[in-house]
Amino acid sequence: EDKVVQSPLSLVVHEGDTVTLNCSYEVTNFRSLLWYKQEKKAPTFLFMLTSSGIEKKSGRLSSILDKKELFSILNITATQTGDSAIYLCAAPFWETSGSRLTFGEGTQLTVNP
Amino acid sequence: DGGITQSPKYLFRKEGQNVTLSCEQNLNHDAMYWYRQDPGQGLRLIYYSQIVNDFQKGDIAEGYSVSREKKESFPLTVTSAQKNPTAFYLCASISLGSNQPQHFGDGTRLSIL
Repeated sequence: EDKVVQSPLSLVVHEGDTVTLNCSYEVTNFRSLLWYKQEKKAPTFLFMLTSSGIEKKSGRLSSILDKKELFSILNITATQTGDSAIYLCAAPFWETSGSRLTFGEGTQLTVNP
Repeated sequence: DGGITQSPKYLFRKEGQNVTLSCEQNLNHDAMYWYRQDPGQGLRLIYYSQIVNDFQKGDIAEGYSVSREKKESFPLTVTSAQKNPTAFYLCASISLGSNQPQHFGDGTRLSIL
């Protein structure tokens, strides 16, 4: 059974700290891994990773994929209170009936001033 | 502007009542998805549809029903058989064959009266 596992489930830090969020996966015919940030409403897309070892970067956020060890990390440097959110990791997989995303449980990040 | 519209934003259900959540997209996407999210957790797939007049059960379909009569619309009915319906419901869509991430609506928050 395909699965995505995130850790930690919850994290509380102070502004300015650096955090690393983890995502491991077991997905048949793996093609890509996605990271989303969710505040009060819809998840917003952060990164799509398809190749091992190539870091994707957007401001203070960066992410990398290791296809050999089957995991990805999301780093946030110099955290701000606005980074407080649930961070979701997901991997698409294909069944005979079509394609779907499998999500991890998410990491609830709280950044205190 | 293209996007996914979910309505209503908040919905209250009485015991024994069926309620229907609306999801409309004008992105010309082929596939549409319904997810359920419980507090502090990730997304679980309820139903999905790759083409009009066809849909598939996800991981937690019991107590829910869907229809896909038009490409743009994928309503979800929460039936009285769903004993614990209080949750945040998210609709998403994607163009099959594209390498783009799923687009999400802003969600509907359902509570029991």
